[in-house]
Amino acid sequence: SYVLTQPPSVSVAPGQTARITCGGNNIGSKSVHWYQQKPGQAPVLVVYDDSDRPSGIPERFSGSNSGNTATLTISRVEAGDEADYYCQVWDSSSDHPYVFGTGTKVTVL
Amino acid sequence: QLQLQESGSGLVKPSQTLSLTCAVSGGSISSGGYSWSWIRQPPGKGLEWIGYIYHSGSTYYNPSLKSRVTISVDRSKNQFSLKLSSVTAADTAVYYCARVGVPPLLSWFDPWGQGTLVTVSS
Repeated sequence: SYVLTQPPSVSVAPGQTARITCGGNNIGSKSVHWYQQKPGQAPVLVVYDDSDRPSGIPERFSGSNSGNTATLTISRVEAGDEADYYCQVWDSSSDHPYVFGTGTKVTVL
Repeated sequence: QLQLQESGSGLVKPSQTLSLTCAVSGGSISSGGYSWSWIRQPPGKGLEWIGYIYHSGSTYYNPSLKSRVTISVDRSKNQFSLKLSSVTAADTAVYYCARVGVPPLLSWFDPWGQGTLVTVSS
């Protein structure tokens, strides 16, 4: 099945930019979605179709996708952005089509 | 605004069947263009897709769980359900229900229920 690899952790100071990568074979040919999960809460969609934001998600959250890497960028990081972040794709060639990344813990210093 | 709410037994004995229900409010489960999915997350670990049921009633399951999973829909109650048989401690997890579109379009999960912890223990 398709595998999505994320760094286990990313640390960033308030006001700086956090970049979370999601690696997969030719992931640029797929649509990538990103979720934020705070402790004890359900995941929340923050970016869909590589770079679109759902209503209510701040413009500070943006996404890109090319080649073998998709990236979620959080600009002007705030303390409230501290959470786990997961990427996800739908893989048409797999019998396990909905695939989540391994997850990245973002720590705000 | 569409909302999903899981309910069911929080403690299941090994070898028994886990049963959960997801109540949908703010919209009809029978509306076209969407599927209804279950996802789980073992304590301290990542997300695992379990399966989904289309609005038409057809289902698709994670191959690793397929022999033990049944997802069904009750349109009269606007809810869908998960049954997982022959559970072991490895099935201990927070179980989420979520809406997903029909791929390749709308292939993201939104919204999610708040999740319910199921513990497998004697």
